Amino acid sequence: GAGVSQTPSNKVTEKGKYVELRCDPISGHTALYWYRQSLGQGPEFLIYFQGTGAADDSGLPNDRFFAVRPEGSVSTLKIQRTERGDSAVYLCASSFSGSTYNEQFFGPGTRLTVL
Amino acid sequence: AQSVTQPDIHITVSEGASLELRCNYSYGATPYLFWYVQSPGQGLQLLLKYFSGDTLVQGIKGFEAEFKRSQSSFNLRKPSVHWSDAAEYFCAVVSAAGNNRKLIWGLGTSLAVNP
Repeated sequence: GAGVSQTPSNKVTEKGKYVELRCDPISGHTALYWYRQSLGQGPEFLIYFQGTGAADDSGLPNDRFFAVRPEGSVSTLKIQRTERGDSAVYLCASSFSGSTYNEQFFGPGTRLTVL
Repeated sequence: AQSVTQPDIHITVSEGASLELRCNYSYGATPYLFWYVQSPGQGLQLLLKYFSGDTLVQGIKGFEAEFKRSQSSFNLRKPSVHWSDAAEYFCAVVSAAGNNRKLIWGLGTSLAVNP
């Protein structure tokens, strides 16, 4: 597809379970970002990849959150032992490079609900 | 620390009326500023951006924004609002320093348009 895609679009899980959220960036984009958006809030930065490596993971809230991008394309955000407070929309964005001048293109998000 | 303030949580205007959405930022160096729009069920879309140069920038969908360093503001304007402009609008700033281009977001302004 032409845009950033995220799967699943919705995920409902129980407290304590493990979840994986997937992001497919625009082909050729080397930079990939994960953000989290809680209800009534603006997006909050989680992690930034340049290629395969995490260039900045300072936004990950704790060690239950982890993300990978093994081949420099698709990325997976992994959340262990989910808590009700993890409920939010998880947004992925990609850009041609990590340059400030390159627009970040956003996917539609994955809505995570932890019961 | 960098921050973005959008003072208006919700605004309602009549179709055809002019619009101004306020954004104030706190940032020590030259800010790179963005306005994004988020429609229900849609991903975030870039409306316009300011990096340097002319302080009045034009964007898509008839929007413009003016950077005022003395007021630390980057207000979004549109001369005549259309019903399809009803959406959530976010102002964001990105760090120009270091390796990361993460976006710092305001809480957003929800725009409703009356027919």
